[in-house]
Amino acid sequence: DAGVIQSPRHEVTEMGQEVTLRCKPISGHNSLFWYRQTMMRGLELLIYFNNNVPIDDSGMPEDRFSAKMPNASFSTLKIQPSEPRDSAVYFCASSSFRANTEAFFGQGTRLTVV
Amino acid sequence: AQSVAQPEDQVNVAEGNPLTVKCTYSVSGNPYLFWYVQYPNRGLQFLLKYITGDNLVKGSYGFEAEFNKSQTSFHLKKPSALVSDSALYFCAVRDMDSNYQLIWGAGTKLIIKP
Repeated sequence: DAGVIQSPRHEVTEMGQEVTLRCKPISGHNSLFWYRQTMMRGLELLIYFNNNVPIDDSGMPEDRFSAKMPNASFSTLKIQPSEPRDSAVYFCASSSFRANTEAFFGQGTRLTVV
Repeated sequence: AQSVAQPEDQVNVAEGNPLTVKCTYSVSGNPYLFWYVQYPNRGLQFLLKYITGDNLVKGSYGFEAEFNKSQTSFHLKKPSALVSDSALYFCAVRDMDSNYQLIWGAGTKLIIKP
């Protein structure tokens, strides 16, 4: 398996524009996580899907952020409109829905909003 | 509530010396504990996990971790550090009360000096 695949790897956009980040989880995994990492706040869980259903979105910063998982092999995180404070590295991770299994991370998308 | 603490923001070790990166946890019930490593501009990589059984767990790159139930600790160790071990290390625990979410420590920056 190729692991968790995220695209794009880098994104530079202007304030106010819509940004869409994409994630393909590992085949067979039924849990998917979106994280944001910054120097100031560290690693933050944004949203957690299980079997394509959002289980916990309490980490989504505000209504400008939305996430979808239309099927087991694809998820998106959208920011509309984007702001400079959204600049961060966004990670997608997937795992089996079992307590004893580890999560696997993608390489991340480095988002810069100017 | 489940929680994880990494008390050291940074650990400095000379190459060839043993290293320890500390992690303590608070959970209800039996803990499922994980260590991850993050190299610059990369996603988090799974190192090792404790689920049950032997308190000394061996993982990737020569790392091991010791589970201590009485001290609620899960410290990461390596007998002889390499410069290439320099990275950010995260400890995590499965939240059994919240759909198996991973609760993360703040991370410890490990610097190995030649």
